[in-house]
Amino acid sequence: GAGVSQSPSNKVTEKGKDVELRCDPISGHTALYWYRQSLGQGLEFLIYFQGNSAPDKSGLPSDRFSAERTGGSVSTLTIQRTQQEDSAVYLCATRGGAALTEAFFGQGTRLTVV
Amino acid sequence: EDQVTQSPEALRLQEGESSSLNCSYTVSGLRGLFWYRQDPGKGPEFLFTLYSAGEEKEKERLKATLTKKESFLHITAPKPEDSATYLCAVQRNDYKLSFGAGTTVTVRA
Repeated sequence: GAGVSQSPSNKVTEKGKDVELRCDPISGHTALYWYRQSLGQGLEFLIYFQGNSAPDKSGLPSDRFSAERTGGSVSTLTIQRTQQEDSAVYLCATRGGAALTEAFFGQGTRLTVV
Repeated sequence: EDQVTQSPEALRLQEGESSSLNCSYTVSGLRGLFWYRQDPGKGPEFLFTLYSAGEEKEKERLKATLTKKESFLHITAPKPEDSATYLCAVQRNDYKLSFGAGTTVTVRA
C-alpha cells in the first residue's frame, strides 16, 4: 500500500481480555517499530524488527506484551490479560533500508481497556 | 540513557506571530535528529532530519536548526493550519528513535 496501515483504528476491550493489533508496512520497508503513546506523553519504544534479525524487545513493558513479524512484512502486537494502564495509542512505523531514513507512521490503534 | 526534552509544553500564538520550539538532548553518538508533526488522532508526519551541528533545513514556514546540545524549530508568520503537536526524536549509533513529549502549538486567527 501507499502508507503504513494499522488495524483496528479503535479497540475497546474488557480488562483481562487479550487483544491483537496489526500493522501492514510500506512495501519493501525492512525496519518496523512499535511505539506506545499515552495521553500527554511522548512516544514510548516497545519493539523493533529489522529484516531477519532477532527483534529488539527491550521496550516491552511486561511479559503480557509480545510481537511478531511474519515473512518480514505484517506485524502483530499482542497484549494478553489487558489492564487499564494498557490504554493508549499504539503506533507502528516503518523505514526503508538506510538506517537514517525517515520513519513513516501509521494512524495508530487507540486501545481502551474498560 | 538518552534524554530528549522539549519546551515549552504548549505554545499559543496569534496568526503571524513567529516563535521557536526547543528540543534539548543528551545522547552519546548522535547520528540524526528528526522533527515530526502530529495532528490529533493521526500518526506523526515526518518534517526534517538534521545530521550535524550547524545544519539547517526549511520547509514553508518552518526552519529547523541543530547544535551539539539542542535543536530549534522556528515557525515564521504561522497560520492556523500550523496548529499541531511537534515532536523531536534522536537516533544514536543504532536504530532506536527516542522521542520527546512534544510541544503543542495553537495558532489563533
